[in-house]
Amino acid sequence: TQLLEQSPQFLSIQEGENLTVYCNSSSVFSSLQWYRQEPGEGPVLLVTVVTGGEVKKLKRLTFQFGDARKDSSLHITAAQPGDTGLYLCAGARDNYGQNFVFGPGTRLSVLP
Amino acid sequence: DAMVIQNPRYQVTQFGKPVTLSCSQTLNHNVMYWYQQKSSQAPKLLFHYYDKDFNNEADTPDNFQSRRPNTSFCFLDIRSPGLGDAAMYLCATRRGTEEKLFFGSGTQLSVL
Repeated sequence: TQLLEQSPQFLSIQEGENLTVYCNSSSVFSSLQWYRQEPGEGPVLLVTVVTGGEVKKLKRLTFQFGDARKDSSLHITAAQPGDTGLYLCAGARDNYGQNFVFGPGTRLSVLP
Repeated sequence: DAMVIQNPRYQVTQFGKPVTLSCSQTLNHNVMYWYQQKSSQAPKLLFHYYDKDFNNEADTPDNFQSRRPNTSFCFLDIRSPGLGDAAMYLCATRRGTEEKLFFGSGTQLSVL
């Protein structure tokens, strides 16, 4: 069974601080995605990483895929209250990418 | 404009009373998914349709059924809801083997 773990489970920081959240597994994934989910809404895709060691940047967010394609990190620089939400990572479960297994998420609160 | 629409946003049902949740999409995507998300947990895949082909996860209870009468609509039927079925139910779509999932806003189900 492919399982994804995310840490920390909860994170509360002040506006302007930097943070890193992690997504780890003992399994190899063909690709990995990061989503942000706001209360009462569905998840929204932020990024997909495919190649081991890949780094992608989305404004103040930096995503990295581990060399072995088993783990990933999300770094936010100068966090803002608008970054508040549940950050979910999801791994493609098979080579066809048909199904995704989700981690439990990191709930981030950025206080003004 | 909303592309994946779930109705209702909030649903209250009684223990054992059948309930149907609906999902429609304007994206003409051929793949549709139903996920169950309980508080502070990862979204859990219940089943998905690839075109008309239905794929049931092995651990999805028999109490949960799904219908997809056409490309645009998909329904989740819970035949005899139990207290443990209270959760957010998320519908998602996808085009072919593209990696992006488009989620609806979800239906929050309460069971009294």
